[in-house]
Parts: sequence; structure tokens; C-alpha cells
Amino acid sequence: SQTIHQWPATLVQPVGSPLSLECTVEGTSNPNLYWYRQAAGRGLQLLFYSVGIGQISSEVPQNLSASRPQDRQFILSSKKLLLSDSGFYLCAWSEGWLAGTRTGELFFGEGSRLTVL
Amino acid sequence: GEDVEQSLFLSVREGDSSVINCTYTDSSSTYLYWYKQEPGAGLQLLTYIFSNMDMKQDQRLTVLLNKKDKHLSLRIADTQTGDSAIYFCAESKYDYKLSFGAGTTVTVRA
Repeated sequence: SQTIHQWPATLVQPVGSPLSLECTVEGTSNPNLYWYRQAAGRGLQLLFYSVGIGQISSEVPQNLSASRPQDRQFILSSKKLLLSDSGFYLCAWSEGWLAGTRTGELFFGEGSRLTVL
Repeated sequence: GEDVEQSLFLSVREGDSSVINCTYTDSSSTYLYWYKQEPGAGLQLLTYIFSNMDMKQDQRLTVLLNKKDKHLSLRIADTQTGDSAIYFCAESKYDYKLSFGAGTTVTVRA
């Protein structure tokens, strides 16, 4: 069965410090990978998605970046955090087009709570 | 405006039925989903419906889709305290991305 792990679960960082959130998926190949941010009352905002190694699409301009160094690894980074980067970050995966099971649902990790002080 | 809209709060008495409503804007949506999020956790898929269906039932859950009005609803029968959570409606098109609503916080009172 497939599993998704993201870490750390909780992070408190000072303004201007770097960030690295990691996400890995097991039990599947060639997944689509996503980073979402959740803000209270605003639902889920898609930040980045990736359909393959090294292929990253950014949905919104921001202080963050994403990388996919391996097929099942997705990393969210920042060189210098801002107060506005605080939030709940969710990694997710879905079957890629080649899987042929295109119901499209996303499978989410447990989330990472980032507080920037 | 947002692609997917849903009311933010719903309070329901234990044992009653809950109905959560959602509207979406894109008639080309292929699948529509309901996710549940418990406090401090990720989202779990509850159910989904393909756009050529009108209704789907799964135990206590009933999904109704009105394509003409672009309206989706989730009914939870015999609501229990464990159903207290945030419920997200989402739509998918012929690409890799889902658009989510802001979430409806359901509070079940005794």
C-alpha cells in the first residue's frame, strides 16, 4: 500500500532563517506531487506541483521554492522566512497520468505546522 | 472569485442529518470530491463523484450533484461526535490539480 510522510510536524523559526520541509511517498512510482498551504478560512492554496523529477510548476509568486530530487521526494524550501510564511503546509500525491487510474484524488500527508516569529 | 465556494460553519445535533453544500464554477470539472480534516491532521478523502453521475451513496454518506446549477452536497446521516471536522469540497479537471473550497467546519453538539 502507498504511504506518504512529511516532516517535521511542527517547526518554529525566526524571521530570516531558512526552511526545509520534506515529503516522501512510498509504494508507488511516478506520482504527481503537490505542496499546499492552508490558512484559516481560506482553504487550501496550491503552491507547487510536480509531474516528474526536476519538473516543478509554481502556482503563486512567493518566498518559497520546491525541488524534486528523486521520483518520490518533494522538498519545500525558503532561503529567508517571512512572518507571512507561517501556516500549515500539506504535501500530497496523486497517480500520474501513466497509471491509467485517473480518478484524480489526492492523498495527503499529516501536515507541517510552521510558525515564523 | 473563488472557483469553489462553501459555507464556513455548520452546527448540527447528534443523531440528526448534516448537509454541507458547495458550488463550483467550471462545468468541465470531471470529478468532484469531499475531504475530511480532523484537527491538526491532513485531509482524508471521504468520497468522490464523477461528473456524469447525479448521486452516490456510501454507508452514511450521500453525495448529490446538480450539474445544471453546479451544486454539490454531502449529506451525513445520523451525525456522530466523531463527524466533527472541517469538510472540503474540491473539483478536478483534465489536468493535475484540484481546486478546494475554504472548508466547512462542522460542529456536532449533544
